Amino acid sequence: EEQLVQSGAEVKKPGESLKISCKGSGYSFTSYWIGWVRQMSGKGLEWVGIIFPGDSDTRYSPSFQGQVTISADKSITTAYLQWSSLKASDTAMYYCVRKDSSGYIDYWGQGTLVTVSS
Amino acid sequence: EIVLTQSPDTLSLSPGERATLSCRASQRVSSSYFGWYQQKPGQAPRLLIYAASSRATGIPDRFSGSGSGTDFTLTISRLEPEDFAVYYCQQYGSSSWTFGQGTKVELK
Repeated sequence: EEQLVQSGAEVKKPGESLKISCKGSGYSFTSYWIGWVRQMSGKGLEWVGIIFPGDSDTRYSPSFQGQVTISADKSITTAYLQWSSLKASDTAMYYCVRKDSSGYIDYWGQGTLVTVSS
Repeated sequence: EIVLTQSPDTLSLSPGERATLSCRASQRVSSSYFGWYQQKPGQAPRLLIYAASSRATGIPDRFSGSGSGTDFTLTISRLEPEDFAVYYCQQYGSSSWTFGQGTKVELK
């Protein structure tokens, strides 16, 4: 069974760094793009970026370029989303997703809630 | 960047009624790379429709998608109680994705 399992909720202070994870299982991890989607409380879905674990090719939404870093470790079938200096405005639920070969999102992780507050 | 605008923002309907949700793109989108998702409170979204009109696995046939170019539609033929949720359209071009802002289908 294909699944994406994300790391647990995080509470951080502004200026701190953070790396959240997404472990893929039940499929060939290096054959599918993994993306990240942000959802702020009560708001819609925003694409953050996407990575192909097979060769680490990474693309970012213009809105998130330079604000976050996406990476993957194919040896442990895990993708990451990280911040070097969090802001209160980073507070949101972050979903990792798998992009099907046809382009749509076929699997979603359970989400990681990131709260940034002083 | 392609902007997707959904209408209406909220649709108030009763069970058994027909729901028609629209999504308009700021520029032409390939039908092959257009989809719809449903999100219920406290849950991750799930895929309903891909390639503009193909139902995902396990999606009931009361859900249908249509459209091309810049105008796409999701239709729920007869609303069931479990269909009250937020619906998002998405385009998934080769190197970028965008989502619409969502349409909430609420109980009237």
